[in-house]
Amino acid sequence: AQRVTQPEKLLSVFKGAPVELKCNYSYSGSPELFWYVQYSRQRLQLLLRHISRESIKGFTADLNKGETSFHLKKPFAQEEDSAMYYCALLAAGNTPLVFGKGTRLSVIA
Amino acid sequence: EAGVAQSPRYKIIEKRQSVAFWCNPISGHATLYWYQQILGQGPKLLIQFQNNGVVDDSQLPKDRFSAERLKGVDSTLKIQPAKLEDSAVYLCASSLGGIRTDTQYFGPGTRLTVL
Repeated sequence: AQRVTQPEKLLSVFKGAPVELKCNYSYSGSPELFWYVQYSRQRLQLLLRHISRESIKGFTADLNKGETSFHLKKPFAQEEDSAMYYCALLAAGNTPLVFGKGTRLSVIA
Repeated sequence: EAGVAQSPRYKIIEKRQSVAFWCNPISGHATLYWYQQILGQGPKLLIQFQNNGVVDDSQLPKDRFSAERLKGVDSTLKIQPAKLEDSAVYLCASSLGGIRTDTQYFGPGTRLTVL
């Protein structure tokens, strides 16, 4: 079965510092990978997907098939980036989206 | 556009009682999902509808959980009888069509506490 691992429950960084939220996955095929974000008192929403290869709110994520990773990065953290971040995987076939346990990012002013 | 609506937002019940949650997806969205999110975990899919047909209910505990989507719009999720381990946030999401990678839009969730 597919599995998504986010090793950090909580990540605290200072404003302006680089951020890297780790995501590793377990799947033998070619996955679709996503990052979802939930800001305080807001709904869970899609941040970005690997297939789009775009930068959203300064965040990027690169799929590394060799390391089975999809880490989320931002060069300079902002206070408004504080939120809960979930990595999610969609395998081939009729399989559901599988989420990791999430990492809470706290950006300290 | 209006987002996914869910009610109630909070519910407290005792074990062995019944509870029902309601979801209204974004207008025109054919696919509807119910997720269970236990504290400290990511969302886990319970059931997926395409219009009013079930696409995936493999992770739905069918001895106590049921869901329906009459007329392919609103949906209800029911738990009968509830157990302590059902305490969680129940999220409803919808997406536009039948493409697996369509963006899922989530509702605010219903927080269930079973005492």
